[in-house]
Amino acid sequence: DQQVKQNSPSLSVQEGRISILNCDYTNSMFDYFLWYKKYPAEGPTFLISISSIKDKNEDGRFTVFLNKSAKHLSLHIVPSQPGDSAVYFCAASLYNYQLIWGAGTKLIIKP
Amino acid sequence: GAGVSQSPRYKVAKRGQDVALRCDPISGHVSLFWYQQALGQGPEFLTYFQNEAQLDKSGLPSDRFFAERPEGSVSTLKIQRTQQEDSAVYLCASSLALPDSGNTIYFGEGSWLTVV
Repeated sequence: DQQVKQNSPSLSVQEGRISILNCDYTNSMFDYFLWYKKYPAEGPTFLISISSIKDKNEDGRFTVFLNKSAKHLSLHIVPSQPGDSAVYFCAASLYNYQLIWGAGTKLIIKP
Repeated sequence: GAGVSQSPRYKVAKRGQDVALRCDPISGHVSLFWYQQALGQGPEFLTYFQNEAQLDKSGLPSDRFFAERPEGSVSTLKIQRTQQEDSAVYLCASSLALPDSGNTIYFGEGSWLTVV
């Protein structure tokens, strides 16, 4: 039973355009949501997070949107750059320390 | 270094062999986590330490898995009598305090275990 789902295994976007990565969850008890970026052979690195009491958080080119009624969040990257090519993981926080992760979406930025 | 350090980076073990994976968290970080990541999947929680206390080990898949952090710094994840399904990347992470909005979790590069 996957509590956090990323339904797109991969996404290809033209450089300069907007990348939108989606994530769905089932557990309404999640209190925090995070996005991590992972390059091959490296550990995940934190990108951006959002509290369950907010619906939007922005940090430079990265914006995360949370729709609690739909149990859906999305990460927008604009403009997309070649260095953004990586695997992006959505994670949800439970009990303030346990992260429940999606399977990841591989983002490919085409020049 | 300034980040979370894990060793060995790569380990090939024969089925039935015991392995030990080491994690050096960022200095001063209270919280330490172990996650298991199978190929093509997201990481899955194994266990959580706050200083030397193991507060949650609910994610450990069997009693062959054991983790310790005796002095509240370095941690070791031990897997006894390894089996093929144990093949995965084992990620260690640490954070300054509880990993809520103000405390980012920092991950190491992982230890890649292959059981043959």
